[in-house]
Amino acid sequence: SQQGEEDPQALSIQEGENATMNCSYKTSINNLQWYRQNSGRGLVHLILIRSNEREKHSGRLRVTLDTSKKSSSLLITASRAADTASYFCATASTGGSYIPTFGRGTSLIVHP
Amino acid sequence: EAQVTQNPRYLITVTGKKLTVTCSQNMNHEYMSWYRQDPGLGLRQIYYSMNVEVTDKGDVPEGYKVSRKEKRNFPLILESPSPNQTSLYFCASRDSGVYYEQYFGPGTRLTVT
Repeated sequence: SQQGEEDPQALSIQEGENATMNCSYKTSINNLQWYRQNSGRGLVHLILIRSNEREKHSGRLRVTLDTSKKSSSLLITASRAADTASYFCATASTGGSYIPTFGRGTSLIVHP
Repeated sequence: EAQVTQNPRYLITVTGKKLTVTCSQNMNHEYMSWYRQDPGLGLRQIYYSMNVEVTDKGDVPEGYKVSRKEKRNFPLILESPSPNQTSLYFCASRDSGVYYEQYFGPGTRLTVT
């Protein structure tokens, strides 16, 4: 069963604005990962946050994790047209195979 | 260069004609998996493997087979493809342990007519 669900399904912003995407999941996790996919291409890993971490940064990316609410958010600051892509959260459940399961993704369009 | 390769990248076939999509990784990863991606449904896991000769079903295994005879290869087999298997397929691999990301192949776009 798909574990993570991203929200919104689609997001359209202007270059320079911040983009925030959310992910909710259902069961206890070991970690949560965010991936990016350019149209029709393979997914690329962006950032991994462990279940005992609350916030993590990588360049213009900021990820938060709230295990009590079973939710995570991905913030892209000062967005660029090149950030246009789909973004997926993936969760690795406790006691499982640790091979993550994915949500349906958020489609982000950044207008120049 | 560390990578996951898939072949073919594009395939158009007819119902019932057996096909194999190959997947190979050069990172010595123990874990490998197959996903299919369909509009509105995101990525759904088909099968995964945690080591040589160890495979298990994912969320949508019906109509697919896999094998893991060597660590680097994880082919996906469609014994009798049907039109509802038209999709974009991704192979992925990762190191064992909890805190490792997956590396994805470029995808195989399959059309079954």
